[in-house]
Amino acid sequence: NAGVIQTPRHKVTGKGQEATLWCEPISGHSAVFWYRQTIVQGLEFLTYFRNQAPIDDSGMPKERFSAQMPNQSHSTLKIQSTQPQDSAVYLCASSSTGSSAETLYFGSGTRLTVL
Amino acid sequence: SQWGEENLQALSIQEGEDVTMNCSYKTYTTVVQWYRQKSGKGPAQLILIRSNEREKRSGRLRATLDTSSQSSSLSITGTLATDTAVYFCATGYNNAGAKLTFGGGTRLTVRP
Repeated sequence: NAGVIQTPRHKVTGKGQEATLWCEPISGHSAVFWYRQTIVQGLEFLTYFRNQAPIDDSGMPKERFSAQMPNQSHSTLKIQSTQPQDSAVYLCASSSTGSSAETLYFGSGTRLTVL
Repeated sequence: SQWGEENLQALSIQEGEDVTMNCSYKTYTTVVQWYRQKSGKGPAQLILIRSNEREKRSGRLRATLDTSSQSSSLSITGTLATDTAVYFCATGYNNAGAKLTFGGGTRLTVRP
């Protein structure tokens, strides 16, 4: 089991460019989560899916951020018109069925730097 | 100690010492999970304790939960240099579905 796979590991974009981050959850897991980590804000919940359906996007900035899960083997987080304040480590996690009483298995993250 | 709005805390100890990290949370929780994050990696779960449990042990780790004071602790006995990491508590409750809210974290440095 390779664990949760996130690509790319590092991404550098210019201000105003688009960034797409990819996540491959653990095979057989039905829930996928996205978190953002910064020194100032810590680990912030963004959104999660269960069985590919969006369940809770309460942490997603209303503009420029979108997440999709087109199939059970991958999810994407897209940031349009990136801004310097979007610089962060974006972490994807998966869990077996999607319960707060389950273990979240995190990937190693994508470090996004917006110049 | 840490909770949702506190900045990252830091502790530095000598290898072999015991350490306890504390976490306070603001909302009713059904479960507290403790995670450890090493440099360049995502968080990895260490222990999960439910609201009907007061204590949970796993190897050198011991977690406690006090729902009346809305606090949890994680103790590590006989620390090793490899325990150097950031430790997070995370809380979840039924009305929030699967969403976990993470505390600010404690950066633990264990000096060899």
